Amino acid sequence: DTGVSQNPRHKITKRGQNVTFRCDPISEHNRLYWYRQTLGQGPEFLTYFQNEAQLEKSRLLSDRFSAERPKGSFSTLEIQRTEQGDSAMYLCASSLAGSLGQYFGPGTRLTVL
Amino acid sequence: DAKTTQPTSMDCAEGRAANLPCNHSTISGNEYVYWYRQIHSQGPQYIIHGLKNNETNEMASLIITEDRKSSTLILPHATLRDTAVYYCIVSPVLYDKVIFGPGTSLSVIP
Repeated sequence: DTGVSQNPRHKITKRGQNVTFRCDPISEHNRLYWYRQTLGQGPEFLTYFQNEAQLEKSRLLSDRFSAERPKGSFSTLEIQRTEQGDSAMYLCASSLAGSLGQYFGPGTRLTVL
Repeated sequence: DAKTTQPTSMDCAEGRAANLPCNHSTISGNEYVYWYRQIHSQGPQYIIHGLKNNETNEMASLIITEDRKSSTLILPHATLRDTAVYYCIVSPVLYDKVIFGPGTSLSVIP
């Protein structure tokens, strides 16, 4: 499968715990994006990378959230001290810089109890 | 970024054409019109884009009005698998992020 993959697909955690999600983009894509989607809403942009550089962060990305793409390939999104409001689907997408269209992964559904 | 307006929901009979409208009256000259769709429990899927001319690919056709203030996504022969939320987005050529609105929930009915 050469599409965008995300792991885990589902994560249930207790409030206050830390969680980390992984995204593996399409191999030749140099841009990688993270979005968050709550029930009934369209996805909301969180941050994106070009290669290993994080170029933009949304104000939605509080200081409890951190994203990395250390070698310009896979990326991780960590949420520290999770809150119930963090419960959502976290989507990753990749593209080639300047190309017209992003390819999304299946998402990681986070439930914070 | 320019704003888009789409109907909240639409129904379409299976086998008929589904015509999904989108208004983008404040679109700038360098902004493309993109369409994505999201089938339940999956990530969004890119469908098609256009600037001025009408476009067609294996999934759909995109009709953009001459003044570029509105467009229509056409699924020529809708199937049950086309049931999804369809997002219309306008954005510059080298866009960085996709700003999704609420989209149109299309239900294809047997």
